[in-house]
Amino acid sequence: TQLLEQSPQFLSIQEGENLTVYCNSSSVFSSLQWYRQEPGEGPVLLVTVVTGGEVKKLKRLTFQFGDARKDSSLHITAAQPGDTGLYLCAGSNAGGTSYGKLTFGQGTILTVHP
Amino acid sequence: EAQVTQNPRYLITVTGKKLTVTCSQNMNHEYMSWYRQDPGLGLRQIYYSMNVEVTDKGDVPEGYKVSRKEKRNFPLILESPSPNQTSLYFCASSLFHRVGNEQFFGPGTRLTVL
Repeated sequence: TQLLEQSPQFLSIQEGENLTVYCNSSSVFSSLQWYRQEPGEGPVLLVTVVTGGEVKKLKRLTFQFGDARKDSSLHITAAQPGDTGLYLCAGSNAGGTSYGKLTFGQGTILTVHP
Repeated sequence: EAQVTQNPRYLITVTGKKLTVTCSQNMNHEYMSWYRQDPGLGLRQIYYSMNVEVTDKGDVPEGYKVSRKEKRNFPLILESPSPNQTSLYFCASSLFHRVGNEQFFGPGTRLTVL
């Protein structure tokens, strides 16, 4: 069974601070996605990374896929209260009986205070 | 508007009383799945369907049933609910069952079994 460990589980910061959320596994993934979930809503896809070492930017959010495709990070620069939410990483693989199945991390609850 | 809808959004029931949570998508997606979300455990897949009349178990299928008679609908059935099925449930769909495909989530159904 492939597992994804997210850290930290909780993050409470002030507006304007920077932060990084980590997503780690002992297994290799073909792709890694990051989703954001707000209270009362379902997760919404932020980004998909598929190449080892890949870096993608979405405004103040920077996503990186590890060289070995076993880990990923999400960095937010100058966090805003609107960034508050649950961030989930999810990996999937192209091989074996679990083809395409998404494995989710436990999530990181981010609270940004004004 | 492209979306995944779930009903009901909130449900309180008693042990053993059969219930169905409906899920519908208007994007002509082939792949649909059900997840449950519990604190500290992330999202875990219950059942999935690759197309009409094709369903299979996910990671936590015990106590649940599904059907896929039409492409747009994928109901989740709890024949005899128990308190350990109290959870937040999400239906999701994607165009195809492929690595890295974006999954679109419904707004969630919060179920409490007394």
